[in-house]
Amino acid sequence: DIQMTQSPSFVSASLGDRVMITCRASQTIDNSVNWYQQKPGKAPKLLIYGASNLQSGVPSGFFGSGSGTDFTLTITNLQPEDYATYFCQQTYSISQTFGQGTKVEI
Amino acid sequence: VHLVQSGAEMKKPGASVKVSCKSSGYTFSDYYVHWVRQAPGQGLEWLGRIDPKSGGTNYAQKFQGRVTMTRDTSTTTAYLELYRLASDDAAVYYCAKSGSHGSSDYWGQGTRVTVSS
Repeated sequence: DIQMTQSPSFVSASLGDRVMITCRASQTIDNSVNWYQQKPGKAPKLLIYGASNLQSGVPSGFFGSGSGTDFTLTITNLQPEDYATYFCQQTYSISQTFGQGTKVEI
Repeated sequence: VHLVQSGAEMKKPGASVKVSCKSSGYTFSDYYVHWVRQAPGQGLEWLGRIDPKSGGTNYAQKFQGRVTMTRDTSTTTAYLELYRLASDDAAVYYCAKSGSHGSSDYWGQGTRVTVSS
């Protein structure tokens, strides 16, 4: 399986800050990375697909970048509702895998 | 688009569980349905997917031989059945509709499966 190494595991940030979360794939995966936000007790919510495409309805403060093996989710102008855990996911392989998650504390 | 899952289950070790996922608001047969689980306080783990049109499935190697995914196109419902449950199968199980780039763009609310003797 393709491994997705996500960092950091935890980040503490202030309102209005910019937060960057990275995922590194164990092999090249083109742009086959998606990013999700999950709040406690809720299902994950798709934020970014295909490494850099903003899912419909997602605020523009979320930005995805990267290709090959290194990918980044950037959250700009952090808002109270952005407190959540974020996961990357590779879909290059049929057997998709997720990163370990990053918890963002405001 | 809505995916509505069946209710919480409590099972003994060695038993099986079957979870349903009813889809509405889109053409069921046009998109894969994925199954993903999340153990308490843990990350997300993909179990597999089903093509509702053909019934074809792909399972994560870890679950091969212990999982079956099926669908009923007449009721637009997908099913996950997991056999020989162990304590580490205790998790919230999610179904999700496939979106662009293999993403999962709509998710069910989750079904909590507890495994305890």
